[in-house]
Amino acid sequence: EPEVTQTPSHQVTQMGQEVILRCVPISNHLYFYWYRQILGQKVEFLVSFYNNEISEKSEIFDDQFSVERPDGSNFTLKIRSTKLEDSAMYFCASRGSGRVKETQYFGPGTRLLVL
Amino acid sequence: AQTVTQSQPEMSVQEAETVTLSCTYDTSESDYYLFWYKQPPSRQMILVIRQEAYKQQNATENRFSVNFQKAAKSFSLKISDSQLGDAAMYFCAYMGDTGRRALTFGSGTRLQVQP
Repeated sequence: EPEVTQTPSHQVTQMGQEVILRCVPISNHLYFYWYRQILGQKVEFLVSFYNNEISEKSEIFDDQFSVERPDGSNFTLKIRSTKLEDSAMYFCASRGSGRVKETQYFGPGTRLLVL
Repeated sequence: AQTVTQSQPEMSVQEAETVTLSCTYDTSESDYYLFWYKQPPSRQMILVIRQEAYKQQNATENRFSVNFQKAAKSFSLKISDSQLGDAAMYFCAYMGDTGRRALTFGSGTRLQVQP
């Protein structure tokens, strides 16, 4: 069964450093998302992406964040200058077309720790 | 803005028994989708069940079923014949059919299954 994959599974970085989180959505999906979950809290929406552009972003998604689909398979989230409060689990999700096109399928997440 | 409320931070059930997790939501939209996701200790987000608001029939997936009350804006999850592997965080989530199509999550319910 197709699944969303994410790399790396864990990342430790120093405050102020740039990180790139990578995702490979399900191949025939059209809509891509990033969410984050700070430990012990709810999952929060960051950004959605469709047709090679951002379709919506939350107030969390400030100028420090950017997304890109550099080729036909990868979807990346870049944090330019990480802060301590960026420590969280970051989930990529995708959804497609057909009968269950509204269902978002999540990757296993990247656990980011900023020191 | 849509909100999702899960009023039970923790629930406990005996193995083989039935448990119901509550979720209420607030929206002004008439068409939308509701989901339950399971998050085990690995922190992966796993889809449990989905419900389209235009369907009156409650969704079922094996041991999992929902009680969808559109007028009351209530969407509870019933787990029958609970198994040890059901122990996890359960998140209720909402997605509108127009405008914002990102998921809005509740704060989660931690389910413990006692042997």
